[in-house]
Formats: sequence, C-alpha cells, structure tokens
Amino acid sequence: AQSVTQPDIHITVSEGASLELRCNYSYGATPYLFWYVQSPGQGLQLLLKYFSGDTLVQGIKGFEAEFKRSQSSFNLRKPSVHWSDAAEYFCAVGPEGGNKLVFGAGTILRVKS
Amino acid sequence: DAGVIQSPRHEVTEMGQEVTLRCKPISGHNSLFWYRQTMMRGLELLIYFNNNVPIDDSGMPEDRFSAKMPNASFSTLKIQPSEPRDSAVYFCASSRLMGEQFFGPGTRLTVL
Repeated sequence: AQSVTQPDIHITVSEGASLELRCNYSYGATPYLFWYVQSPGQGLQLLLKYFSGDTLVQGIKGFEAEFKRSQSSFNLRKPSVHWSDAAEYFCAVGPEGGNKLVFGAGTILRVKS
Repeated sequence: DAGVIQSPRHEVTEMGQEVTLRCKPISGHNSLFWYRQTMMRGLELLIYFNNNVPIDDSGMPEDRFSAKMPNASFSTLKIQPSEPRDSAVYFCASSRLMGEQFFGPGTRLTVL
C-alpha cells in the first residue's frame, strides 16, 4: 500500500537559515510526488511536483526538491527561509495524473527572527 | 480568475442534523475531489469525480456520507445524520484531467 512519511512534526529554523523537510514514500509503481504548503485557515497550495526527468525540481517561492529513488525520498529544501514561510508542509504521492493522492502527516515550520 | 469556491466556510450543527457542504470547481476543470482533514487522521481523500462521474468513493467513511456532482460547476458533500466525530475541515479540490489539484479554502465543520 502506498504511504508517505514525514518524520518531523515540527521544525524551527532561524530566518535566513537553510531548510530541509524530509519525505519518504512507499509506492508500488512509478511515483508522482508533490509538495504542498498550507497557511493557517487556508487551503493547500502546490509548491512543486515531480513526474519524471531531472530529479531536482524547482518550485515556487524559492523551494526545490530532490527525488532519490534509491532512498525513496523527496526532500524539500530552501536555501534561505523567510518569516512568511512559516506554515504546514505536506508531501504527497500518487499515480500518473496525480488524482488519488496520499498525503503525509505534515511538518509544521516555525521561523524565528 | 476565481479559485475553488466552498461554502459555507464554517458550519456548526447539532448531532443528528443534516449537513451539506458545497463546492464550485475552477471553470474548465474536469476532476473534483473531496478531502477531510483532522488532527488524528491527517488529510484523507473521500471521493473524486471525473467529468461529473464518481470514480472512487472508497474513502467515504460511512453510508451517512454522500456526494453528488450534478454538473461541471457544482458538487455537494452531504452528511446525514451528522455525528461529533465528523467534525473536521473539509476541502474540495479541482483539476484538469491528469493535472495539478487546486484546493479551496475549506469548510470547518463542528458537530456538537
């Protein structure tokens, strides 16, 4: 069965510091991978997605993620965090077309000044 | 360009009452999804439609839950009768076929 693990429930980083959010997945076929961000009281917004090709994908707001098949990972990174990045981040996996997505439990990012 | 529209944004009701949540997808999108988000279970897909046809409702928790999509611009999720354990945030999302899902702002349901 497909699953997504986000091992960190909370992460706190200083503004300007680098960020890495971890995501590991279990999926029987070629995974389609996504990172979403949710601000308080809001819906989810897609940051980036990976379907195929270059394993390093660029997204919005300066985020990037790297697909590592050997490690079943799709970690999200940002070189310099801004206070406005404080939110909850969700990793998701799904089939081709990305319809039936399975989401991880989420990682809450806090940014300290 | 309007995004996914959900109404109401907040709903407080008493146990046993019928609850209807509404969603208007983005114009031109062919797929519509209903999700439920709780602290205990996270974000779960309840049901999704392609071209107004329910494709997979395996996530619908019980017969008390039903969803319809009478046309391409409107969908409802109904809970009858509602129970306190149904309290959650319900999200609707839409996409083009095989495309990125765009989420609405959600409906926060509280069942007393």
